[in-house]
Amino acid sequence: GESVGLHLPTLSVQEGDNSIINCAYSNSASDYFIWYKQESGKGPQFIIDIRSNMDKRQGQRVTVLLNKTVKHLSLQIAATQPGDSAVYFCAENPPNDYKLSFGAGTTVTVRA
Amino acid sequence: NAGVTQTPKFQVLKTGQSMTLQCAQDMNHNSMYWYRQDPGMGLRLIYYSASEGTTDKGEVPNGYNVSRLNKREFSLRLESAAPSQTSVYFCASSKTGTANYGYTFGSGTRLTVV
Repeated sequence: GESVGLHLPTLSVQEGDNSIINCAYSNSASDYFIWYKQESGKGPQFIIDIRSNMDKRQGQRVTVLLNKTVKHLSLQIAATQPGDSAVYFCAENPPNDYKLSFGAGTTVTVRA
Repeated sequence: NAGVTQTPKFQVLKTGQSMTLQCAQDMNHNSMYWYRQDPGMGLRLIYYSASEGTTDKGEVPNGYNVSRLNKREFSLRLESAAPSQTSVYFCASSKTGTANYGYTFGSGTRLTVV
């Protein structure tokens, strides 16, 4: 699979490979995290979330990993498909604040 | 199952013109938000409304006003449009309570100011 060690704005992936998108969050007290997917010309869509009492959560073809020690969040996409081409944003929710803080986003392009 | 509905989808304004972007949600959410999205800048919060009857400034409020008309509707007004306000605008809503919840976004309004 292909991965991004540090946050990079773009990721090119071969169809069928696994993708890993990384995100560094800023507030060590944040207790809720979300990944959003934004396809061209559309609004961001919820993919998966995780609360701070968990290290890992799985959805359909997606897994989110949370490392609170280094304030790092990752999104793994299994068997990447052309429909996975999009911009992916991570978001964190500090405690006592219902507003989300968004990361810069990673553009994922799937190569046929 | 409409979720968050924004109108219009596209708009071209001349500098100095005014307009109102409309947003409505049918999920009985308490909180609503307006963001703008510019290339390389990510999502930036303009204004938000924690609940019906309250509004607060976000990160980039200058040049905008908002109205939380009722629980369902949250509008964004540009009184005198400037080219710097050319952007894609997203409305979002969320539940609020003892736990945190994610946002549901609308499909966006693409605004060009010439």
